[in-house]
This record gives sequence, structure tokens and C-alpha cells, in this order.
Amino acid sequence: DAGVIQSPRHEVTEMGQEVTLRCKPISGHNSLFWYRQTMMRGLELLIYFNNNVPIDDSGMPEDRFSAKMPNASFSTLKIQPSEPRDSAVYFCASSFRDYGYTFGSGTRLTVV
Amino acid sequence: KNEVEQSPQNLTAQEGEFITINCSYSVGISALHWLQQHPGGGIVSLFMLSSGKKKHGRLIATINIQEKHSSLHITASHPRDSAVYICAVTSGSRLTFGEGTQLTVNP
Repeated sequence: DAGVIQSPRHEVTEMGQEVTLRCKPISGHNSLFWYRQTMMRGLELLIYFNNNVPIDDSGMPEDRFSAKMPNASFSTLKIQPSEPRDSAVYFCASSFRDYGYTFGSGTRLTVV
Repeated sequence: KNEVEQSPQNLTAQEGEFITINCSYSVGISALHWLQQHPGGGIVSLFMLSSGKKKHGRLIATINIQEKHSSLHITASHPRDSAVYICAVTSGSRLTFGEGTQLTVNP
């Protein structure tokens, strides 16, 4: 298995633009998580899905953020409109029940 | 107070030294994880524990459920062990992270 695959690896965009981050979890994993990492706040859970259903989105900062998981092999995190304070590394991770987590390589987002 | 606290925040050691990083948590958990993050940002899961002790190479992780405490030990440390080590706990399916320990091992 190629692991959790995130794209793009790096994204630079202008303030106000829409940004879409993508994640392909490990096949067979039933939970998918989106995390954000900043110097100030460390790692924070944004949202997680179980069996493609959003379970906890309390970490989503505001309505500008949305996440979808249309099927078991794909998820997106969208920011519209983007702001400079959204600049961070966004990680996707997947797990099967509680049998450990596998993280993607992250997407480094810079909003200028 | 954070639900997951790590100590120390920063640790500098000489190659070969025995290293201990501590993690305390205040919530009920189903598992505790130790993660490693190298410069460049990738996160690797080192251990998942719900009781006792696990060993992988030079790394040992222990957990005391009654005391809500875990330790990560590195024996015969090496410069390539330099990284941020993050403790995280699972409650339900949710991961809550500690702030991380920056470890630097000098040759």
C-alpha cells in the first residue's frame, strides 16, 4: 500500500481564492482525519469521518472550511475564501478502528 | 490545562545517552500514541499502547493507566533520533495531541 496520499504537497494561493486539499486514505481504513499544524497551536483536529460520515467537525475553524468524503477512498478539505491565517500544514490520517494511525505527508498551504 | 502534557519541551543530549520523554493525560483514553516528526514535517507513528510496555529497536514505550502517564525511552541515542516526539491520546476515535518534545542529539 502506498500509504495515505495527500495532494498537493505545497500550495501557494492569494487571499480570497478557493483552496482544495485532497486525501486518499489507506484502503480498508474506516476512519479519516484532517489535522492542521501551526507553530502557534501545534496539531489540531479539524474534522474526522467514520465510514464516510462526518462524526466530529467541532475543530473546523469557521464556515469558510468544509470537508467531504464522498466515498471510502477520497476526501477533500476546502477553504473558501482563503485567508493568510489559514497558512499551515494540513495533514490527513486514516485508521482502522483503533489499530494505529497512518499520516499523509501533509500539504503546506501558504496564503499570501 | 491541556488534556495531554509532555515534558520536557526541549531536550538536548549527547550521542549515546539514554533519553526519557514523559507524557501525562487527564482524560479517559482507549489508547496512547507516540509519534515522531522530523524536520520536513512527516509524521510517523512509533507506538500505540493501551497497557504495559512495547519495544521497537532502541525505542521503548511504557504506560501506567492508573497514573495516567506514559514514557518514551530511547537507548543509545543517535543524531538521527533528532526530531519532535509527540504524545497523543485516543478518546473515542479522536486524537488529542501534546505539544511535542523537541529532541536534539549531538554527535
